[in-house]
Amino acid sequence: EAGVAQSPRYKIIEKRQSVAFWCNPISGHATLYWYQQILGQGPKLLIQFQNNGVVDDSQLPKDRFSAERLKGVDSTLKIQPAKLEDSAVYLCASSAGLAGGDTQYFGPGTRLTVL
Amino acid sequence: AQSVAQPEDQVNVAEGNPLTVKCTYSVSGNPYLFWYVQYPNRGLQFLLKYITGDNLVKGSYGFEAEFNKSQTSFHLKKPSALVSDSALYFCAVRDMMNSGGYQKVTFGTGTKLQVIP
Repeated sequence: EAGVAQSPRYKIIEKRQSVAFWCNPISGHATLYWYQQILGQGPKLLIQFQNNGVVDDSQLPKDRFSAERLKGVDSTLKIQPAKLEDSAVYLCASSAGLAGGDTQYFGPGTRLTVL
Repeated sequence: AQSVAQPEDQVNVAEGNPLTVKCTYSVSGNPYLFWYVQYPNRGLQFLLKYITGDNLVKGSYGFEAEFNKSQTSFHLKKPSALVSDSALYFCAVRDMMNSGGYQKVTFGTGTKLQVIP
């Protein structure tokens, strides 16, 4: 079974530029998550989709971050404009559904450096 | 509100010795509990989870964890550590109590495990 795919793996941009990350979840997984992991911290949920609908985006900085999952499969996370504090690893995960015990499976992440 | 704590930033253990990585949690209802491992430049990899039933949960790579409701703990253990176990370990919790909404998973800050040859 193929895992969660993410691209790019690394990205370096200057502040105020824009950047986009792509995620393809495990086939058949209805739920998709985007996390931000700052060095030395645990992952923080940015947004969660169930199929193509948003379940939770309470911690997404909506003035600069946006995400979409138009066809209920792959997803794109965008930052515009980027700030220095956005430097982090952006992790995508997927799970079969919304059940509390459902396991989340993570992709390799995209390491973003904002200069 | 739910929370999870990993009180040790780093745990050092000699190869072949038993290891324990500590995790405590706080939830309103009953918890779903998870352990993940992260190797350098990799995403998080699922190790094991507790949903209900037997308090001792066995997972991947010889790891196990014990759910202790009275102490609100879910410590990760392995009888004999390997150098290849050296990595960052994350505990996570989701509150089973669903008061009209859904609960996201909350991750701890991680514990770096160093297994010394």
